[in-house]
Amino acid sequence: NAGVTQTPKFRVLKTGQSMTLLCAQDMNHEYMYWYRQDPGMGLRLIHYSVGEGTTAKGEVPDGYNVSRLKKQNFLLGLESAAPSQTSVYFCASRVELGQNEQFFGPGTRLTVL
Amino acid sequence: GQSLEQPSEVTAVEGAIVQINCTYQTSGFYGLSWYQQHDGGAPTFLSYNALDGLEETGRFSSFLSRSDSYGYLLLQELQMKDSASYFCAVKVSNQGGKLIFGQGTELSVKP
Repeated sequence: NAGVTQTPKFRVLKTGQSMTLLCAQDMNHEYMYWYRQDPGMGLRLIHYSVGEGTTAKGEVPDGYNVSRLKKQNFLLGLESAAPSQTSVYFCASRVELGQNEQFFGPGTRLTVL
Repeated sequence: GQSLEQPSEVTAVEGAIVQINCTYQTSGFYGLSWYQQHDGGAPTFLSYNALDGLEETGRFSSFLSRSDSYGYLLLQELQMKDSASYFCAVKVSNQGGKLIFGQGTELSVKP
């Protein structure tokens, strides 16, 4: 099992450009999450999904969109990147019931110039 | 608002015991988790407490007092590899299992 994988690992964008970050998990988890982590800070929830075809807003959703067309994939989109979106983005997944552990991907390091 | 407070840095020597505290003020509370993160990599799950008391898993233990809105992570027999950032996180919703994270405590273990 690969667990949770993220593509790409690094990316540099110019202000106003768009991009999509891909998260994939092979553990058949229902719940998936997108977080951002800024220097010296904890993880902040951007959006999450409780199942295929569902999405919901987290703490800091502005400027981001998400889609969960397939259970194993969770996409995070930036339509018009801003320097304030320079961050490390982590995806995570979790089973629906019983367990409370979130499994994290390796992260995507995004710089917006 | 939602806030979690934990010390920004802790230093200890190999073989010692260290306690990392976490106090929280959140609109909902279903449990307290702890995660470890090495060098900005993927956070990994350490523990989860939903009820008051101490949970032990090997060298690591986690404690929760719901009445005091307080918990801690206890690391025993410290090893150099324990140098990492440690985050407490409150589960604020059962629907979706949403977590609110603290800002993290950087633990440095010295020889």
